[in-house]
Amino acid sequence: DAGVIQSPRHEVTEMGQEVTLRCKPISGHDYLFWYRQTMMRGLELLIYFNNNVPIDDSGMPEDRFSAKMPNASFSTLKIQPSEPRDSAVYFCASRDGPDNSPLHFGNGTRLTVT
Amino acid sequence: AQSVTQLDSQVPVFEEAPVELRCNYSSSVSVYLFWYVQYPNQGLQLLLKYLSGSTLVESINGFEAEFNKSQTSFHLRKPSVHISDTAEYFCAVSDAGGSSYKLIFGSGTRLLVRP
Repeated sequence: DAGVIQSPRHEVTEMGQEVTLRCKPISGHDYLFWYRQTMMRGLELLIYFNNNVPIDDSGMPEDRFSAKMPNASFSTLKIQPSEPRDSAVYFCASRDGPDNSPLHFGNGTRLTVT
Repeated sequence: AQSVTQLDSQVPVFEEAPVELRCNYSSSVSVYLFWYVQYPNQGLQLLLKYLSGSTLVESINGFEAEFNKSQTSFHLRKPSVHISDTAEYFCAVSDAGGSSYKLIFGSGTRLLVRP
């Protein structure tokens, strides 16, 4: 079991550029979550999917953020255009089944927007 | 809506001393409670969880937490810490048996174990 795989580990980009973060969940997991972690706001849930369908995107901060899950083994989080305040660590996590199952987190993508 | 409060942002402690990391939650429904640990440059890992039954739950590395419904708390304790326990610890809550599958995290407590 390779765990949840995120890429890239680090991303540095200039303000205004498009950023795409990628996630491969654990095989067989039917829930996928995107979180953002900052010093000021801690861990925030951005969006989650069940069986590739977005269920709750109320945490997505603005229209500049979008997420997709075209199949069970891949998800993207896109920011367009990026801004310095988007700088954070973005985590993807997956889970098998109901809400008493543990979340399995990837190692995160550290995004720096200059 | 649920919320989690971790009042201590950082807890320094000497090696082999006991430690308690505090967690209080707010919810109008029954909850599941979790503690996750985050080591530097890594994602979060489940440490232990309370779903139902015994209010005292334990992890494999000596941590324990007790669910106290009357005080809406789920404090994490360890009788003797090691240097390797240095990490950030997150308390989290989710709606038990409901339709929401969100896991709401506290702001985290950084445990710093000194030799």
